[in-house]
Amino acid sequence: ILNVEQSPQSLHVQEGDSTNFTCSFPSSNFYALHWYRWETAKSPEALFVMTLNGDEKKKGRISATLNTKEGYSYLYIKGSQPEDSATYLCASPNSGNTPLVFGKGTRLSVIA
Amino acid sequence: NAGVTQTPKFQVLKTGQSMTLQCAQDMNHNSMYWYRQDPGMGLRLIYYSASEGTTDKGEVPNGYNVSRLNKREFSLRLESAAPSQTSVYFCASSEVQGRNQPQHFGDGTRLSIL
Repeated sequence: ILNVEQSPQSLHVQEGDSTNFTCSFPSSNFYALHWYRWETAKSPEALFVMTLNGDEKKKGRISATLNTKEGYSYLYIKGSQPEDSATYLCASPNSGNTPLVFGKGTRLSVIA
Repeated sequence: NAGVTQTPKFQVLKTGQSMTLQCAQDMNHNSMYWYRQDPGMGLRLIYYSASEGTTDKGEVPNGYNVSRLNKREFSLRLESAAPSQTSVYFCASSEVQGRNQPQHFGDGTRLSIL
């Protein structure tokens, strides 16, 4: 099974701080990288799907980059707000048409 | 537009009891999935259905069975519940099972087995 790792496991930042965290995956046989946002007591929601090396995606204050050659993706949050508090999951498929394998997530807490 | 609907939201079972978790999606998606979420373990795939009429095992299938009843519905059955199956269960769907397809999740079923 594909090994998708996320770091750090948890993160506490002050309101207004910018932050980033990492998703690592095997660089060989790469197919896609997904990011999801998961608020407590809710269900995961898709943020981004990236497939090409060098891809950058942005949604509001959240952006993501992808480096398939070295096997990592960064998720950035600019000017963190309390409502950004959530667990952020990344996932990648084993092959082109197999289900996603999820990392264990980075739990972000933004302190007002 | 409800998206992915799971029932029930909460359930308590005794060891050895059986139970079926229901999942339905109204997005005309072809692929559906069942995950369990345990502390420190992330989301682990139990079973999936790439398309109507097919089902396949995921990472942790033991103790579970599934039925893809039609395109909309994908149920998960615990034949003889065990305390190790205490977890939060999520159903998800995607348009097709492809690398570019984001998954849409239900709200989860919190299951406790005593």
